[in-house]
Amino acid sequence: KNQVEQSPQSLIILEGKNCTLQCNYTVSPFSNLRWYKQDTGRGPVSLTIMTFSENTKSNGRYTATLDADTKQSSLHITASQLSDSASYICVVSDPRTALIFGKGTTLSVSS
Amino acid sequence: ETGVTQTPRHLVMGMTNKKSLKCEQHLGHNAMYWYKQSAKKPLELMFVYSLEERVENNSVPSRFSPECPNSSHLFLHLHTLQPEDSALYLCASSLNAGSNQPQHFGDGTRLSIL
Repeated sequence: KNQVEQSPQSLIILEGKNCTLQCNYTVSPFSNLRWYKQDTGRGPVSLTIMTFSENTKSNGRYTATLDADTKQSSLHITASQLSDSASYICVVSDPRTALIFGKGTTLSVSS
Repeated sequence: ETGVTQTPRHLVMGMTNKKSLKCEQHLGHNAMYWYKQSAKKPLELMFVYSLEERVENNSVPSRFSPECPNSSHLFLHLHTLQPEDSALYLCASSLNAGSNQPQHFGDGTRLSIL
């Protein structure tokens, strides 16, 4: 069964610190992997999208990595800000079906 | 401004009521989607429309009835809902249907069933 597992479930960090969120998947075949940010009360917004041939992609202070061999991805947030407090969702695409969503990691950045 | 607008943002209804959720996209996309987001669960795909034709129905109960009158508008008609239907309902659109296409989400309708 195709699955996307994210860890940790929740995370609290101090403003200015870095953090890394993990995403492991069992989806095969694999088309692409996306990270979304969802602020409270808002819809998800795309941060990055990577195909199987890409190892890393950045969007400002967000850097996503992908290891298609081990089926793992991470999202690294540098110099966190209060506005980074949100849920981060990993989504994996199987070219034959619709998107497969993880449950998300809830990040809280405190001052 | 996300390009995908959902109304209402909040809705409280009884189990015997009939209501409709509305979604409008201003991105020129040809595919639109309804998702259900419940606490601590992954987003669940409900329906997919491509060029106004329903192309996917993920075993959704008949008390949820979608309608896509044109490629810019999508509705979800609700009737005789259950308390477990309380959730955030998200609409999304993409240029074309297919898992390779990036999806743009609206901000959702928070639905509470009394």
